[in-house]
Amino acid sequence: EPEVTQTPSHQVTQMGQEVILRCVPISNHLYFYWYRQILGQKVEFLVSFYNNEISEKSEIFDDQFSVERPDGSNFTLKIRSTKLEDSAMYFCASTAAQGLSSYNEQFFGPGTRLTVL
Amino acid sequence: LAKTTQPISMDSYEGQEVNITCSHNNIATNDYITWYQQFPSQGPRFIIQGYKTKVTNEVASLFIPADRKSSTLSLPRVSLSDTAVYYCLAPLGNAGNMLTFGGGTRLMVKP
Repeated sequence: EPEVTQTPSHQVTQMGQEVILRCVPISNHLYFYWYRQILGQKVEFLVSFYNNEISEKSEIFDDQFSVERPDGSNFTLKIRSTKLEDSAMYFCASTAAQGLSSYNEQFFGPGTRLTVL
Repeated sequence: LAKTTQPISMDSYEGQEVNITCSHNNIATNDYITWYQQFPSQGPRFIIQGYKTKVTNEVASLFIPADRKSSTLSLPRVSLSDTAVYYCLAPLGNAGNMLTFGGGTRLMVKP
């Protein structure tokens, strides 16, 4: 069964450093997302990406965050200058676009645990 | 975006049927009712979705009354491995829309 993969599984960084979290969505999917989950809290939407541009973003996704699809397979989330409060699990997800008349499930990756010291 | 409300936690025993009810009073015409499951330190996993009436797959059943203001996820004969958080969501039906997760229902299955 195809799956979303993410690397690394765990990233430790110092406050103020840049981090890049990587995702490989399912190959024929066209919509890509990033979510985060701070320990013990809800899963929060960050950004969605379609046709090489951001289609929607939340208030969390400020100027410190950026996303990119540098080639045909990878989808990355960059945090320019990490803060302590960026420590969380970051989940990538993808969806196949199958028309507008039914729900298209999002497939989530296993997550990257980011720890900012 | 429809707001959903579900119990914070539920306990059950192995082999029992578990029903988790979710209310979504302000659900819109284009919203679909969707359930996801999340194990600790893993990403959410889609379980089932429906628009109205009853939907069944190999994992669960979803019951939606005609007014669509609530829905019930039914897990038949749960096992210990069904211990997880279950999220009820009501996203728009077209692709590309964000998911808004609430706190979910923490299901604990006991032996």
